[in-house]
This record gives sequence, structure tokens and C-alpha cells, in this order.
Amino acid sequence: DAKTTQPPSMDCAEGRAANLPCNHSTISGNEYVYWYRQIHSQGPQYIIHGLKNNETNEMASLIITEDRKSSTLILPHATLRDTAVYYCIVRGTGGTSYGKLTFGQGTILTVHP
Amino acid sequence: NAGVTQTPKFQVLKTGQSMTLQCAQDMNHNSMYWYRQDPGMGLRLIYYSASEGTTDKGEVPNGYNVSRLNKREFSLRLESAAPSQTSVYFCASSADRGYEQYFGPGTRLTVT
Repeated sequence: DAKTTQPPSMDCAEGRAANLPCNHSTISGNEYVYWYRQIHSQGPQYIIHGLKNNETNEMASLIITEDRKSSTLILPHATLRDTAVYYCIVRGTGGTSYGKLTFGQGTILTVHP
Repeated sequence: NAGVTQTPKFQVLKTGQSMTLQCAQDMNHNSMYWYRQDPGMGLRLIYYSASEGTTDKGEVPNGYNVSRLNKREFSLRLESAAPSQTSVYFCASSADRGYEQYFGPGTRLTVT
């Protein structure tokens, strides 16, 4: 699976949009980009995933560049409860890596009042 | 729906003791997973079960065994606990191998 690079930490003011970047320059054509978050001491929570097109759900939006080498997770109106570690994961779709998630260090997002 | 449940929530073992961590899901998912998370680190896959009756090793399987008891339950056993196995253990499930995973609340294990 492709490796991902994320900034170790970011800050955001409550009510503003949080834009979390992820670099995955070695991604291959059939690999998906997944985002999870982990609020302190809890199990990771699925947020969103995408292949090529931009995606939006009730939690967030995912913007994937046209060359698919990077993506941005957008939390449109961050709240204090969005303070968490955010993981960007590239997931394979075939072979022995199929279905497996490889978690890196993630980005610690701190939302300030 | 309870989602993914794990027992116990906390456990302290002495070196050499054995124990089984239990995991159950009520979402009728085919695939289940066991991860460990050490302080300040991301999760690492220990074992997974793509479907009932199958299990496969993940990234860090040494020192562990698993049993997919039925479609709902997937247990993780430590036969002879070591201090290096002190960690938080998370169970997860997904509809199938290629789908998003849903995680339990974790078991915090300390081996002294």
C-alpha cells in the first residue's frame, strides 16, 4: 500500500473550517484514500473515503487532487468535539493487502474556543 | 445496535499468565480484525478474519492466537503474556474486506 505523509499537528478555531492535508504520491490507480479519527482513548472512527472524485457526507468532505497524489479532509464547521488524531490511510484493493488498514502517526487536530 | 463490544475494558496480568480478549459485533459483518496500539503510535494489525472460518496473520502476530468462534465473535488469546504486550487492543469489523471498519472501545492491558 502507498505511504501517506501528514503534518504532525494543526490548530483550528471553533466554528471555522478545518482543512487537513495528506500526501500519498505513490498511490496506485486502484487504491482508495480513507480517513479515520481517534478521539482520546477511544477506538478509531470512520469518517469518509474516496477513489477519484470528491466525496461529502454528514461528517466531512474529501477533496482528492486530479493526479491523486494528495487529498484534503475538510471539517466545515469544527467544534471542540472534533479535537482528535486524524489518520489518512491508503487502502489496497487486491492481493494480500486487501482490506487491511495501515495506520501512520496521523495529525493531531486541536480545536480552540 | 451495540456495534462492536470488547471485554474486558481493563486487565492487568503477570508475565507468563494467559488470557483471552473477547470481541463481538451485531452488525452481521463478515470481516473482523484485532489491532494493538502502543503509546503515541498508530494501530498495528495483529490478526484478521476475512470471513467466518478463516483467519490470517497481520503485521505483528507473534505471541497471539485468534479464534473466529462464529460470525459474531472473534477472540484474541495471549498464551504467555510478556511486558512487551502491554498495549491497548482494539477489535474492528467490516461488512467485507473492502469496506470501512468499525472499532470497539478497546481493552487496556498491562503486563507486569
